Amino acid sequence: LAKTTQPISMDSYEGQEVNITCSHNNIATNDYITWYQQFPSQGPRFIIQGYKTKVTNEVASLFIPADRKSSTLSLPRVSLSDTAVYYCLVGPVKAAGNKLTFGGGTRVLVKP
Amino acid sequence: SAVISQKPSRDICQRGTSLTIQCQVDSQVTMMFWYRQQPGQSLTLIATANQGSEATYESGFVIDKFPISRPNLTFSTLTVSNMSPEDSSIYLCSVGEGTDTQYFGPGTRLTVL
Repeated sequence: LAKTTQPISMDSYEGQEVNITCSHNNIATNDYITWYQQFPSQGPRFIIQGYKTKVTNEVASLFIPADRKSSTLSLPRVSLSDTAVYYCLVGPVKAAGNKLTFGGGTRVLVKP
Repeated sequence: SAVISQKPSRDICQRGTSLTIQCQVDSQVTMMFWYRQQPGQSLTLIATANQGSEATYESGFVIDKFPISRPNLTFSTLTVSNMSPEDSSIYLCSVGEGTDTQYFGPGTRLTVL
C-alpha cells in the first residue's frame, strides 16, 4: 500500500472551507484514494473515495490531479461538528484481505 | 451498511489481568478486523478474524497476547492478555468488503493501571 503524508493538524472557523492535502507519490495504477473521518470517542467512518479528477458527495469533495500523486479533501462551510481527525488512505478498492492501513491523519479543529 | 456494537465500552484493569472485548455485528460478514488506537495515535491493525479459521495477525502482534475467537459470522472477541500499562488503548473492531465500505464499532477504551 502506498505511503501517505498529510498535515498533522489544521485550524479553521465556522463557515470556512477546509482543504486537506494528502501526498501519495508512490500510488499504484490500481490504487484508489479514500478518506475516513473519526470523531472523538467514535470509530472512523468512510466519507469519500476517488480514482481521478473530482468526486463530490453530500459531505465533501475530493480533487485528484492527473498525476494522482496527491489529493485534496475539501470540506465546504465547516461547522463545529466537523471537528475530527481525517485520514487519507491509498490502496486497491479490494485490498489484500480488505485491510485498511491508516496513516497519521489530520486533526481538524473548527472554532466558533 | 453494518451496525457494530462493542462491549465493554470502557474498562479499567489491573496489570497482569486479562480483558475480553466483544464485537457484535447486525449482519453476517466474512471478515472482521481488530484495531488498536493508542492515545493520540492512528489506528493499527492487530488481526483479521475469519469464521472457521484461525485469525491472521499483523507484524508485532501475537496470538498469545491477543487471542481472538470468531464463533460465527456475526460475532468476535479479542482478549488482551497479561495486561501492562502499555496496553492502554482504544480497541476497535470493524467489518467490510472493501476500502470504501469498512464499518467500525464505537471502540473499547481500556486503561491498565
